[in-house]
Amino acid sequence: NAGVTQTPKFQVLKTGQSMTLQCAQDMNHNSMYWYRQDPGMGLRLIYYSASEGTTDKGEVPNGYNVSRLNKREFSLRLESAAPSQTSVYFCASSDRGLGYEQYFGPGTRLTVT
Amino acid sequence: KNEVEQSPQNLTAQEGEFITINCSYSVGISALHWLQQHPGGGIVSLFMLSSGKKKHGRLIATINIQEKHSSLHITASHPRDSAVYICAVFQRMDSNYQLIWGAGTKLIIKP
Repeated sequence: NAGVTQTPKFQVLKTGQSMTLQCAQDMNHNSMYWYRQDPGMGLRLIYYSASEGTTDKGEVPNGYNVSRLNKREFSLRLESAAPSQTSVYFCASSDRGLGYEQYFGPGTRLTVT
Repeated sequence: KNEVEQSPQNLTAQEGEFITINCSYSVGISALHWLQQHPGGGIVSLFMLSSGKKKHGRLIATINIQEKHSSLHITASHPRDSAVYICAVFQRMDSNYQLIWGAGTKLIIKP
């Protein structure tokens, strides 16, 4: 099992460009999450999907959109990237929801210039 | 004041020492998580607990719900334990729930 995979691992964007971060899990988990991690700060939840077909905003959703394509895949889209979105992005999944053990992907390091 | 506070922020110790990392929170919680973030960035869940104590290998996690405090202990520490240790609390209120993350404790174990 690969667990949680994310692509790409690194990305550099110019301000205003768009891109989609991909995430997939092969553990048959119901819930999936997108976090961002900035230096000196804890993980912050951007969006989550409690189950296939549902998505909800987290703590910092502005500037992002998500799609739960199927049970395996949960993508994060930046429509018009801004320097404030420079961060490391983690995707995670869990079997039963936020309060339960989460499995994390390796992260995507995004720089917006 | 942050709702989840970890201490210390940074900790350097010698191999073999007993390590304690603390997490205090100010909200009512349903569960508390401890996670480890490796120097390469990968994040691994270590424990989820809502009461008492859990042990896995050299790692021990305890929680005192009344005092709103949890500790993560590492016995016989080793350089490979060098990582950032993160505490997160799960709060459920009616139909709303959230996971509140601490900022992490950076641990360095010297050989």
